[in-house]
Amino acid sequence: TQLLEQSPQFLSIQEGENLTVYCNSSSVFSSLQWYRQEPGEGPVLLVTVVTGGEVKKLKRLTFQFGDARKDSSLHITAAQPGDTGLYLCAGARNAGNMLTFGGGTRLMVKP
Amino acid sequence: NAGVTQTPKFQVLKTGQSMTLQCAQDMNHNSMYWYRQDPGMGLRLIYYSASEGTTDKGEVPNGYNVSRLNKREFSLRLESAAPSQTSVYFCASSARTQGYEQFFGPGTRLTVL
Repeated sequence: TQLLEQSPQFLSIQEGENLTVYCNSSSVFSSLQWYRQEPGEGPVLLVTVVTGGEVKKLKRLTFQFGDARKDSSLHITAAQPGDTGLYLCAGARNAGNMLTFGGGTRLMVKP
Repeated sequence: NAGVTQTPKFQVLKTGQSMTLQCAQDMNHNSMYWYRQDPGMGLRLIYYSASEGTTDKGEVPNGYNVSRLNKREFSLRLESAAPSQTSVYFCASSARTQGYEQFFGPGTRLTVL
């Protein structure tokens, strides 16, 4: 059982649709990050959220950290083919540098 | 700046063979990590080095050893490869003061026959 559960595991949508990816845990995290990974490459950080209830926007991407700091969501508005990739959430539980990763959501946006 | 580099990019081993995966970073980061990525499992931490001269086990350390050669380099060794170690291996680094952001290398795809 993974500490961070992501849903859905796979998502295939048409260009222009909206979508939400969820990252849930029973543990409290001091901060939570979202990464995006393209085939053949390593993950790249999109955003870090640290405060319960925090909302951050990155162009068409909206990230939210739950009030209790146990869950997070990523919402993409008007998805584009360039959004295709593997989205990973990762939580840090203490002041150290350890991250726990979720299983990932593989997104495909069809033109 | 090259960021985080890994060699080799691909490797095929026979069961029982040994090999070392190399990782180097040029960002003057204190902390370095080795992960493995398997389908549906996200990234699982094998070993990490919080600072030069220290190494610690992560979630899945069995069958691996590491060496933090200096501040730049962190290697991962498989002494006797097993088919269960077929995976994609990622090295990452982070600076302790930068809110835990980790910078990843391009990965090594390892197949053990």
